[in-house]
Amino acid sequence: QKEVEQDPGPLSVPEGAIVSLNCTYSNSAFQYFMWYRQYSRKGPELLMYTYSSGNKEDGRFTAQVDKSSKYISLFIRDSQPSDSATYLCAMKITDSWGKFQFGAGTQVVVTP
Amino acid sequence: SQTIHQWPATLVQPVGSPLSLECTVEGTSNPNLYWYRQAAGRGLQLLFYSVGIGQISSEVPQNLSASRPQDRQFILSSKKLLLSDSGFYLCAWSGGKTYNEQFFGPGTRLTVL
Repeated sequence: QKEVEQDPGPLSVPEGAIVSLNCTYSNSAFQYFMWYRQYSRKGPELLMYTYSSGNKEDGRFTAQVDKSSKYISLFIRDSQPSDSATYLCAMKITDSWGKFQFGAGTQVVVTP
Repeated sequence: SQTIHQWPATLVQPVGSPLSLECTVEGTSNPNLYWYRQAAGRGLQLLFYSVGIGQISSEVPQNLSASRPQDRQFILSSKKLLLSDSGFYLCAWSGGKTYNEQFFGPGTRLTVL
């Protein structure tokens, strides 16, 4: 079993819809959670970073962490064709040097 | 602000040839540095990470090696490339006030023929 599970998609939504992405994980020691956006043939770009449980909002993006269920989510409101990309979740245990555990990524396609 | 550079952007190499990919970080000191490989349609595979000059940890046994000759320079090498080494290679850093955030370079697309 992988430590971090993420549905590969593709997830196709019409422009203006809400995109809902999620990851589940098995290691309860994870405390730091990130979402990245990766356009084709580009390096991943950090979108959101959250610590422990709760919600964090940044513009059209909302990240949620539910540590009791070992489940994290990313919501994109008012989706645009420019949001079409692969979204990767990542998580980390320690507040210092260490490894990041990534999900395999979900491909999102926003159709005009 | 911090920036991370990788070169070359694209590389086509024959099987059995050597490899050297370079990554440099600007605007920070003593970063943690990472090399990942991303196969087509797949997630990120951590290859190496380094917490300081000359300190390299290997995650996957293979014919690749890494070196960190300077604080902000990370090099990925191979003496003889295999077909299976093809992929998208990404360098990343974390550190300073952001040990829990990782930032990626633009990547190198390697094709081994």
